[in-house]
Amino acid sequence: GAVVSQHPSRVICKSGTSVKIECRSLDFQATTMFWYRQFPKQSLMLMATSNEGSKATYEQGVEKDKFLINHASLTLSTLTVTSAHPEDSSFYICSASGGTSTDTQYFGPGTRLTVL
Amino acid sequence: AQSVTQPDIHITVSEGASLELRCNYSYGATPYLFWYVQSPGQGLQLLLKYFSGDTLVQGIKGFEAEFKRSQSSFNLRKPSVHWSDAAEYFCAVGPTDSWGKLQFGAGTQVVVTP
Repeated sequence: GAVVSQHPSRVICKSGTSVKIECRSLDFQATTMFWYRQFPKQSLMLMATSNEGSKATYEQGVEKDKFLINHASLTLSTLTVTSAHPEDSSFYICSASGGTSTDTQYFGPGTRLTVL
Repeated sequence: AQSVTQPDIHITVSEGASLELRCNYSYGATPYLFWYVQSPGQGLQLLLKYFSGDTLVQGIKGFEAEFKRSQSSFNLRKPSVHWSDAAEYFCAVGPTDSWGKLQFGAGTQVVVTP
């Protein structure tokens, strides 16, 4: 099956700094990528949808200025958590899809962000 | 309001025994339905999906799920679990007209005992 990677797998940063997380589709072109956030013992919550070459669409309640998403190519999307605070600590997961209405989403392994 | 409910947070099952994970959804229309499995250090893996047609869906790793429209349910089953099936399982729904925007249930943690 298709492979999606995320880098880094874990990151620890100080409060106030910015952190960039990369999501790559390794063997297919991802027209659309999705970013999710997962709190401990909870489900995944969709944060935003990004289409290659377009601005991301954010879900209600997600601060677009805090969570900057860039989808510059068909194989790479990045999520930048700006001015991170401890409450931003979470597990961030991306997924990628080739783009048709019934295409499967392929998920990355996730990035554990800890903000001190 | 739209919702996905997995009533069982945690299930313990003996190796070789059968497993059933429940999923109920509340949606405006019949959505696309999915089951994913999440293992530590790995991305969510799609077990199976239902878009239309036969309401009994076969997936990977010996799993199957049955869509019951009257009950708004999409329960996952496996006749005989293996120790490697220990993981977190998520039911998800997605609107047919806005694909990809998946809404996940809270997940069910499956523990397999010898």
